[in-house]
Amino acid sequence: ETGVTQSPTHLIKTRGQQVTLRCSSQSGHNTVSWYQQALGQGPQFIFQYYREEENGRGNFPPRFSGLQFPNYSSELNVNALELDDSALYLCASSTETGNTEAFFGQGTRLTVV
Amino acid sequence: DAKTTQPPSMDCAEGRAANLPCNHSTISGNEYVYWYRQIHSQGPQYIIHGLKNNETNEMASLIITEDRKSSTLILPHATLRDTAVYYCIVRVLYGNKLVFGAGTILRVKS
Repeated sequence: ETGVTQSPTHLIKTRGQQVTLRCSSQSGHNTVSWYQQALGQGPQFIFQYYREEENGRGNFPPRFSGLQFPNYSSELNVNALELDDSALYLCASSTETGNTEAFFGQGTRLTVV
Repeated sequence: DAKTTQPPSMDCAEGRAANLPCNHSTISGNEYVYWYRQIHSQGPQYIIHGLKNNETNEMASLIITEDRKSSTLILPHATLRDTAVYYCIVRVLYGNKLVFGAGTILRVKS
């Protein structure tokens, strides 16, 4: 079990609504990455935050945005939800030094109806 | 796109070694090979990583070929709890993301 916690664990939203997902990183980790995992596929990188700044972004539209707070926790915000946004959203924390493993949370299962 | 190729699924008898192959023929000199696994309904779990030498830890061994174009993850004594999707990933040092492919579904059977 990692020290990365995500909330909520499950969420149902209606198309067009907005959603905020939360992640608390493992102690000592100052980097948080977010991934989207559609059913039956591998996780896809959304973006990473390092010391409260975005540090790389995957191929996701601007309606996917994020924040990192001084305590290194993070939020993922998705506006104008679409049915295809239904997925497992994973948060991973790591240190900024290269080549260390990322520790993943259990994820938030988002269903858009 | 993922830079690795893995078989979609494999079966292994409980107690036997599970050998999971991965091809990464376009790997660059500064890219490491990482392995993660994902047990159903959980987040991915780090297993092991390496550059060019063979690596071993309490979970597994990683064998990387001399030309670094392929590698094998070895679980020495597979148990039913090792049933999971295993992902082979290449990543640069100080890279900011993991690029997951479809992975290999390993089924350990009693």
